[in-house]
Amino acid sequence: AQRVTQPEKLLSVFKGAPVELKCNYSYSGSPELFWYVQYSRQRLQLLLRHISRESIKGFTADLNKGETSFHLKKPFAQEEDSAMYYCALTGPHSGYSTLTFGKGTMLLVSP
Amino acid sequence: DVKVTQSSRYLVKRTGEKVFLECVQDMDHENMFWYRQDPGLGLRLIYFSYDVKMKEKGDIPEGYSVSREKKERFSLILESASTNQTSMYLCASNPTAGVDYNEQFFGPGTRLTVL
Repeated sequence: AQRVTQPEKLLSVFKGAPVELKCNYSYSGSPELFWYVQYSRQRLQLLLRHISRESIKGFTADLNKGETSFHLKKPFAQEEDSAMYYCALTGPHSGYSTLTFGKGTMLLVSP
Repeated sequence: DVKVTQSSRYLVKRTGEKVFLECVQDMDHENMFWYRQDPGLGLRLIYFSYDVKMKEKGDIPEGYSVSREKKERFSLILESASTNQTSMYLCASNPTAGVDYNEQFFGPGTRLTVL
């Protein structure tokens, strides 16, 4: 069964500190991994996907197939990064149609 | 800009009532989804649809049904609302091809309270 695990419910850091939001997955096959973000009073939106290999708002995430991880990183956190972050995957078992989400990590960046 | 709209931002209903949540997308997406979002549980898929009149159960379909009579509209129905269906409901859509392939676009959500 496919599963996405985000071990931290809450991550609290100070502005300027490095951030790493952890995501581990379980999937037999070749999944596609995503990070979605929900800022306060805004709708959920895509932050980045592993196949793009791009940096969005200073965030990066590398797919590590050996460790089955897709951790989200940013070297210097900003207050505006405070939000709920969800890791998600899709794969050939669902025809790449549906997403399985983790339970989310709330990131709080303090001044 | 992709736009997914939901009929209500807040809804209060009584136990046993039949509840309709409507979702409309304006980008001609093939796939549409209904999730519920609960603190500590993340997003859980209720139902999805890959075409008009087609539907598939998600992870938690019990107590819900859906309807997709037109491509742009996907309705979630609570046949007899119960207090444990109090939640935030999110609708999403995505295309099956193109540059936005596989990216799900979400509506603003409907916060449903069942008393």
